[in-house]
Amino acid sequence: KAGVTQTPRYLIKTRGQQVTLSCSPISGHRSVSWYQQTPGQGLQFLFEYFSETQRNKGNFPGRFSGRQFSNSRSEMNVSTLELGDSALYLCASSLALAGMADEQFFGPGTRLTVL
Amino acid sequence: AQKVTQAQTEISVVEKEDVTLDCVYETRDTTYYLFWYKQPPSGELVFLIRRNSFDEQNEISGRYSWNFQKSTSSFNFTITASQVVDSAVYFCALRGGGATNKLIFGTGTLLAVQP
Repeated sequence: KAGVTQTPRYLIKTRGQQVTLSCSPISGHRSVSWYQQTPGQGLQFLFEYFSETQRNKGNFPGRFSGRQFSNSRSEMNVSTLELGDSALYLCASSLALAGMADEQFFGPGTRLTVL
Repeated sequence: AQKVTQAQTEISVVEKEDVTLDCVYETRDTTYYLFWYKQPPSGELVFLIRRNSFDEQNEISGRYSWNFQKSTSSFNFTITASQVVDSAVYFCALRGGGATNKLIFGTGTLLAVQP
């Protein structure tokens, strides 16, 4: 079974630009979550999508947005990039069966550098 | 508020030594879930274990063991006879009850196993 895939793996942008990151979950997984990892703030939850709906959201500005498609694939978008957005962006998927807290499987991440 | 504390920033051991990684959590939820993830230099988070709040039974998996104590809000992880391949950053994470997959991560412990 293929794992979680994220594209692109590396990205370099300049301040003010926008970026879209993509995540393909494990087949059959319905929940996709996004996390930002930086040396200063560690791993922080961005948002979670389940059945094409945002189920939960972290404390990030509105420049960070996401969506999920009917095939469970997800994208996240960051507009008006700032230097502080440089980070490793991790996507995680899970089955999300009702009433169960199943483990999340993480992708390799997208390393975003903002110059 | 939910919080995970990993007080050990870095640990260095020599191969074959036993090592324990500490994790202390805070939550007001009566139902919650605790996780350990491993992040090798490649960056991808690897799931190690999930434990729910109503199951305090300790678990052993090969050289890995976990000690969950609700009385002290701790979920410690021990590696027996460490190996160089165990070198990585280890994260403890907390998920509350309810329909969400949001994980609150600790700051991680960098384990370096010297040959």
